[in-house]
Amino acid sequence: AQKVTQAQTEISVVEKEDVTLDCVYETRDTTYYLFWYKQPPSGELVFLIRRNSFDEQNEISGRYSWNFQKSTSSFNFTITASQVVDSAVYFCALSDLASGSRLTFGEGTQLTVNP
Amino acid sequence: DAGVIQSPRHEVTEMGQEVTLRCKPISGHDYLFWYRQTMMRGLELLIYFNNNVPIDDSGMPEDRFSAKMPNASFSTLKIQPSEPRDSAVYFCASSLSGASYNEQFFGPGTRLTVL
Repeated sequence: AQKVTQAQTEISVVEKEDVTLDCVYETRDTTYYLFWYKQPPSGELVFLIRRNSFDEQNEISGRYSWNFQKSTSSFNFTITASQVVDSAVYFCALSDLASGSRLTFGEGTQLTVNP
Repeated sequence: DAGVIQSPRHEVTEMGQEVTLRCKPISGHDYLFWYRQTMMRGLELLIYFNNNVPIDDSGMPEDRFSAKMPNASFSTLKIQPSEPRDSAVYFCASSLSGASYNEQFFGPGTRLTVL
């Protein structure tokens, strides 16, 4: 069965600090896809990134970076020089061949960036 | 381009009443998903459609819940009769073919309160 674990329920940082959100996944498939979504206080979920299981290259997009390590089944998300606008709940999600088009979400991490 | 549209944004009703939530997916998307978000259970997939056909409704909690997609641009989620434990935020999302690896685009959600 698929499972996504985000062990950090809440994280609080001061603006300009770097912060890493952890995501650990479980799947029996060799082909799978990992996602990160952001849910700001307004409530809508916003797609951030997708990674397939065959591409372990890390990715950087502005202040955001993602570290995918199959050896540890982790797909961690780092925000560099955090800003107040980064305050949101961040969800990691997984889909695999067994689940078809189903996304399995983690519990989410509430990030608060204080000025 | 318009994103996923949901209505109403907020719904307050009394136990036993029928509730209908509506969703218009992004034009051209052939997958549509209904999710429920609560503090206790996080984000749960209720049902999803492909080309207007329900594919997986295993997440529908019980017979009180039903979903339809009469055409490619409209879907409803109905709860009859509603109960206080149905109080949650209900999200609709859509994606292009191959939803297992394509990102899902979420609507703003409907916040349902059953008194």
